[in-house]
Amino acid sequence: GENVEQHPSTLSVQEGDSAVIKCTYSDSASNYFPWYKQELGKRPQLIIDIRSNVGEKKDQRIAVTLNKTAKHFSLHITETQPEDSAVYFCAARVMGNTPLVFGKGTRLSVIA
Amino acid sequence: DTAVSQTPKYLVTQMGNDKSIKCEQNLGHDTMYWYKQDSKKFLKIMFSYNNKELIINETVPNRFSPKSPDKAHLNLHINSLELGDSAVYFCASSLLGGHEQFFGPGTRLTVL
Repeated sequence: GENVEQHPSTLSVQEGDSAVIKCTYSDSASNYFPWYKQELGKRPQLIIDIRSNVGEKKDQRIAVTLNKTAKHFSLHITETQPEDSAVYFCAARVMGNTPLVFGKGTRLSVIA
Repeated sequence: DTAVSQTPKYLVTQMGNDKSIKCEQNLGHDTMYWYKQDSKKFLKIMFSYNNKELIINETVPNRFSPKSPDKAHLNLHINSLELGDSAVYFCASSLLGGHEQFFGPGTRLTVL
């Protein structure tokens, strides 16, 4: 089955700097890659996703890149703000009935 | 107008007891899931149901039994609770073959 590795497990950045979180996946059939943000005590919420026919996607300060050959994808957050502090999860799945397989999460701390 | 709801939000109980967690979604989705998030924040799929039928059952003790009375509800019953069952349990839903999974607010189970 699918296995998703995520790095780093913790990341601290100064406010205004960029943050990058990287994930690799094992199943070449996976074709959907979402990123979820989970604030303390809250539910995971989708912030951005990318499908395998696209190499990059942006939404304001957030971008995701996908390299299908290398089987890795990354989340980029620019101009970080304190409210970006949370645990971020990458995930991968093969479309259809299969569930998401999550990485182990990255705790991002943005220091004001 | 909550999309995915769970009850209860908190559940504290003694070892050996039997308890249930309820989940309901009003999004018209046909696939529902249960995830377990342990103290290290790992999110792991437990079960996946599509139109009231079990389609995925990961390696979960048979003390855990999901029940789907209709496609808007997926309840989780746990028999003979153990200390290691303490975690946050998240329900989620999506469209079949769809992309985004919407998570419920979570149920924090503490077994004493």
